[in-house]
Amino acid sequence: KQEVTQIPAALSVPEGENLVLNCSFTDSAIYNLQWFRQDPGKGLTSLLLIQSSQREQTSGRLNASLDKSSGRSTLYIAASQPGDSATYLCAVHSGAGSYQLTFGKGTKLSVIP
Amino acid sequence: SAVISQKPSRDICQRGTSLTIQCQVDSQVTMMFWYRQQPGQSLTLIATANQGSEATYESGFVIDKFPISRPNLTFSTLTVSNMSPEDSSIYLCSVGAGFTASYEQYFGPGTRLTVT
Repeated sequence: KQEVTQIPAALSVPEGENLVLNCSFTDSAIYNLQWFRQDPGKGLTSLLLIQSSQREQTSGRLNASLDKSSGRSTLYIAASQPGDSATYLCAVHSGAGSYQLTFGKGTKLSVIP
Repeated sequence: SAVISQKPSRDICQRGTSLTIQCQVDSQVTMMFWYRQQPGQSLTLIATANQGSEATYESGFVIDKFPISRPNLTFSTLTVSNMSPEDSSIYLCSVGAGFTASYEQYFGPGTRLTVT
């Protein structure tokens, strides 16, 4: 059974810092990995999706990497802003033909002005 | 990407009652999903709702407690039946990005349910 772990559970950084969020998964046989952002009491916003054959994806100040063999992904946020404050969720999709995602519990990020 | 709306956005309900949550998508999609996010926990898939067939429930979730309808390709409902305080959660619907290689999912804004 796939399990997804995100470390740290919470992170507080001053504005302008670069930061890294970590995600690990137990079964390396994944189809893709998706990073989401969740604002308090709200739904999820898809940030980046990395296919199993890819090593990284970039969108603006965000860069996600994937090392499937070691069961790890990182989300790098450059020049953090207070608007980046949210919970970041990592989810893995384990097989073609199924949409089922396994989620981590998330990292709650606070960017201090 | 699909635009997904949910109604209601939040509700406070008494134990023993039922609540039906609606999910509307701005385009036709084959696969729709319902998730639950209990306080402080990760998202858990409740069921997959396919148009024209019975919903497929994950382990630990049953149709009597969470009946689902999928009358067409843009709409689905999830009912939380005979509610107890343990059902207090955010309920989210999501859709798949079609039968593409990405299998990317998009989520609605969620329904925050509090059961007293």
